[in-house]
Amino acid sequence: SQQGEEDPQALSIQEGENATMNCSYKTSINNLQWYRQNSGRGLVHLILIRSNEREKHSGRLRVTLDTSKKSSSLLITASRAADTASYFCATAPYNTDKLIFGTGTRLQVFP
Amino acid sequence: GAGVSQSPSNKVTEKGKDVELRCDPISGHTALYWYRQRLGQGLEFLIYFQGNSAPDKSGLPSDRFSAERTGESVSTLTIQRTQQEDSAVYLCASSFRTAEKLFFGSGTQLSVL
Repeated sequence: SQQGEEDPQALSIQEGENATMNCSYKTSINNLQWYRQNSGRGLVHLILIRSNEREKHSGRLRVTLDTSKKSSSLLITASRAADTASYFCATAPYNTDKLIFGTGTRLQVFP
Repeated sequence: GAGVSQSPSNKVTEKGKDVELRCDPISGHTALYWYRQRLGQGLEFLIYFQGNSAPDKSGLPSDRFSAERTGESVSTLTIQRTQQEDSAVYLCASSFRTAEKLFFGSGTQLSVL
């Protein structure tokens, strides 16, 4: 079963705008990660945030984590057409070695 | 190669046949994961290997599915008596640290006719 759910399911924006995606999960976690999948198949790791961290930055990416609400958000600033992809959150539940993926957000950035 | 390699990239088979999918992880990565992704959906966890420990098979959908890995090398996912519902992309990933920063292969697109 899915541990995480992303919201919205789909998002369309213009180049230069910011894109925000949210992820909710169900159980206690060790870490939460965000991955990107282009229309091909492989996923690419973007960023990891640990359960004792609240915010993390990497280039144009900003991730927040609220363990009390069991939620995370991914912000992509100054979006580009090349950011068009599906974005997935993935959680490592506490006391397991699994990495469970959410349902994904499809982001479309128009030039 | 430097990345995770999966073969074949595409497999078309007839209902009832067995198929074997292969994954070559990145050298030195002790953790290896298999996922299934149906069209337009998220990734469904299938099985996880960590070194020589017993694998976590909790995601395998039925006893038609099995996977093997010898040490920290190649893994094979076998689906016996394939059904049309098995049609999906099967993704393999490896990582140096358990459940952290997975590197994915390009997947095997399985089509069961």
